[in-house]
Amino acid sequence: EIVLTQSPATLSLSPGERVTLSCRASQSVGTSLAWYQHKPGQSPRLLIFDASYRATGIPARFSGSGSGTDFSLTISSLEPEDFAIYYCQQRTNWPRTFTFGPGTKVDIK
Amino acid sequence: QVQLVQSRADLQKPGASVRVSCRSSGYTFTSYGINWVRQAPGQGLEWIGWINTYNGNTNYAQSLQDRVTITTDTSTSTAYMELRSLKSDDTAIYYCARDRCAACSGFDYWGQGTLLTVSS
Repeated sequence: EIVLTQSPATLSLSPGERVTLSCRASQSVGTSLAWYQHKPGQSPRLLIFDASYRATGIPARFSGSGSGTDFSLTISSLEPEDFAIYYCQQRTNWPRTFTFGPGTKVDIK
Repeated sequence: QVQLVQSRADLQKPGASVRVSCRSSGYTFTSYGINWVRQAPGQGLEWIGWINTYNGNTNYAQSLQDRVTITTDTSTSTAYMELRSLKSDDTAIYYCARDRCAACSGFDYWGQGTLLTVSS
């Protein structure tokens, strides 16, 4: 089973700052990786699919990169609404299964 | 517009079973797989399982495969997640979520979540 590790666990930042979140897989997942934003009381929101493609309606300040075992999500300039928990998720093709990372909480300094 | 609407919150006793529903609209139901994900209090997201809505094939998380069954009713565009032999650890918000596409990563639309509380 593929295990995802996210770092750091928590970040305290100010609006306007640039942030890069890391996700590492225990074995290669190619580019079968997605990123989600999750706020309390809401359903998760897909930000990035296939490692680097922004989902529909996602602002350009969000970008994803990486392949194999090392991935990152970058927010170029934090907006007040970006303070949330961010999860990475990998997909295994056969059998078709998914795993989430433990999450990175981005909160306001 | 695409919508996934889930059944309301539920309270069950340990050892019981529960079935959560997820009614889809705004797209062709059998063209996209449906996944179930849960979040226990204070915990992260956990993938439960997936169903191919076209042919009914399923895959489940190893940790739950003995207790969970996902099914669909294509006549009503509804997916169901049944969880048996409930434990207090199953207390969580349960979400259904649509595959973005068959051969790619990501769940693009999510239900509003169903809170399941397991308590005696």
